[in-house]
Amino acid sequence: DTAVSQTPKYLVTQMGNDKSIKCEQNLGHDTMYWYKQDSKKFLKIMFSYNNKELIINETVPNRFSPKSPDKAHLNLHINSLELGDSAVYFCASSRRLAGVEHEQFFGPGTRLTVL
Amino acid sequence: AQKVTQAQTEISVVEKEDVTLDCVYETRDTTYYLFWYKQPPSGELVFLIRRNSFDEQNEISGRYSWNFQKSTSSFNFTITASQVVDSAVYFCALSDPIKAAGNKLTFGGGTRVLVKP
Repeated sequence: DTAVSQTPKYLVTQMGNDKSIKCEQNLGHDTMYWYKQDSKKFLKIMFSYNNKELIINETVPNRFSPKSPDKAHLNLHINSLELGDSAVYFCASSRRLAGVEHEQFFGPGTRLTVL
Repeated sequence: AQKVTQAQTEISVVEKEDVTLDCVYETRDTTYYLFWYKQPPSGELVFLIRRNSFDEQNEISGRYSWNFQKSTSSFNFTITASQVVDSAVYFCALSDPIKAAGNKLTFGGGTRVLVKP
């Protein structure tokens, strides 16, 4: 009965490689997000999709590309990985009912380590 | 631009003490939402509360209580009679509702709470 799931949980890779992180939510939410948490625990939004449409695209290197095949999935692909990409990446989802924003539910996070 | 400040980086208490976490925010929006999340050592982010800007009533849920004061742009969080399981990093967040749907959360830097037995 997992609400928001991410795979993999841990990802260790070499600089220059390309990798993907997958996210799925079974809550029926329309909006999904990617956040990055750095080594100092600071959380910052990267992207958001609503019904497969990109609605937030923060200042993120274009090596990062989100893809939403359907509203239950939001994947994150990263090209040419750099040391500074090492972080924990969180996926989240939320719903909006009658114009009211509801809380975001977060996945367990993916710890990416670039060597 | 929105901003959330959690001035306390770390608080250490002994079990059963009360602990209050401060959160001060900045926004030009008249309608917004405030949130608190808990991140235990296991790493997941756990939703605790959502408060909309029009509702200034304080809220209590078990040992947790929240004090929202719009006049001072603060949304403080108190844990009463703390327990070791409360040890975690706590994040305050402010939403920036997008016109179509969804909202962008701006997080504070977090406050690490350490409860010692």
